[in-house]
This record gives sequence, C-alpha cells and structure tokens, in this order.
Amino acid sequence: EVQLVESGGGLVQPGGSLRLSCAASEFTFSFDWMTWIRQAPGKGLEWVANIKRDGSEKYYVDSVKGRFSISRDNAKNSLYLQMNSLRAEDTAIYYCAVPGIGHWGQGTLVTVSS
Amino acid sequence: DVVMTQSPLSLSVTPGQPASISCKSSQSLLYSDGKSYLYWYLQKPGQPPQLLIYEASNRFSGAPDRFSGSGSGTDFTLKLSRVEAEDVGIYYCMQSIQLPWTFGQGTKVEIK
Repeated sequence: EVQLVESGGGLVQPGGSLRLSCAASEFTFSFDWMTWIRQAPGKGLEWVANIKRDGSEKYYVDSVKGRFSISRDNAKNSLYLQMNSLRAEDTAIYYCAVPGIGHWGQGTLVTVSS
Repeated sequence: DVVMTQSPLSLSVTPGQPASISCKSSQSLLYSDGKSYLYWYLQKPGQPPQLLIYEASNRFSGAPDRFSGSGSGTDFTLKLSRVEAEDVGIYYCMQSIQLPWTFGQGTKVEIK
C-alpha cells in the first residue's frame, strides 16, 4: 500500500528553522529517489529537492541551496527536510513524493510570517 | 532550466465533449533510452496531484482510459476523450529529464 505521511509543518518567523518529516511505506521507500515538492498558496508546483536511495546524491532548487538540507533514514523509511533561514516566500504546502510513480503524501503546510 | 509552457491556461468544457491540453518544453525531453520524461498530473481542490500519464504516453494504473498522452521531443498533448464532472481541477505537466525538475503553469479545467 502506498503511504506517505508528512509532518512538522507550522508557523515560523522569518529567519527561523523547521524540520519536516515524511514517513513512507517500505514499498515506496524502496525506489531510487525521494523528492520534496512544494506549492505556495494558490500557486503552481515547484520541485525542491531530491535524494538518492543511499543518500550519496542530493539536489536542490537554486532558491533553497545553502538553506535547506534533504536527508533520509532507510532503517526508519523516513525522509526529512531541514529548513533554515526561512523566508516568507518559503510559505507553501510541502509534499514528499516519488512523482514518477504517482506516490504523493497529503502535504504539510509551512507558514513563514512574523 | 527547462521551461514548460502549457496552453491553454484555462478550459471550460461541456460534459461528454473532448478536450486537449498542450505542453511544450524548451529542450527535448527524449532521453537516450528512447523515453520522453514527461508526466501529466491532475490536482483536484484540496488534494495532492494524482498521476495520469507517465513517460509521455503511458496511462498510469487507475487513471481512466478517457485520458491519453502523446508527443515526443518538445511537444506533448494530454487528451480527454469525453470530459466528465470529476475531471475538474488543474492539470500540470512535469519534466524530469534534467534538474531542476520543472512544471508547467497549470491548466484549470472547468465544466460548463
């Protein structure tokens, strides 16, 4: 059964930090790449980051490089996104996904505001 | 970055009538393995996107057979043979041949 459950979103002040988590089914976590994708309120979809199954390769969209860090714990079937130096423009629903095979979580809302 | 351009950006369709959405990429999405790394998603209000078509022309399991995808290289099309009320939402194309993965702007489909 496909299952991706995100958590960790919330309200944070500009400059603050949050750590998102995604609990995945063993089936979903067995695929080569895991992804974070975000969607600002009323806007389109934006790819944020990818991580390879063994964690050896990580890629980020330019706007989050140096601020966000993707990681995974294969023993726990869990994916993470550490978000530092948050800005108002990072406000979005964050989805963990394996989009090429149609696996998406329900998303977790991150709001950056003072 | 690969720019994905969808058209139209909105569509109002009579139930039972066909519809099509175009997606053009700024670079070829055809990889050396012969596959085009182009995906179509439908996002219904309040829900995550759901995969309809993968690798340009393969219908995802669970997607109704009224959905079909075609195209290669830089020009792609999603076709709905007969629009139904449950097909309302925003349709996105996405490329994964090159990082950063990029999405089209979205096409909002409404029922007349």
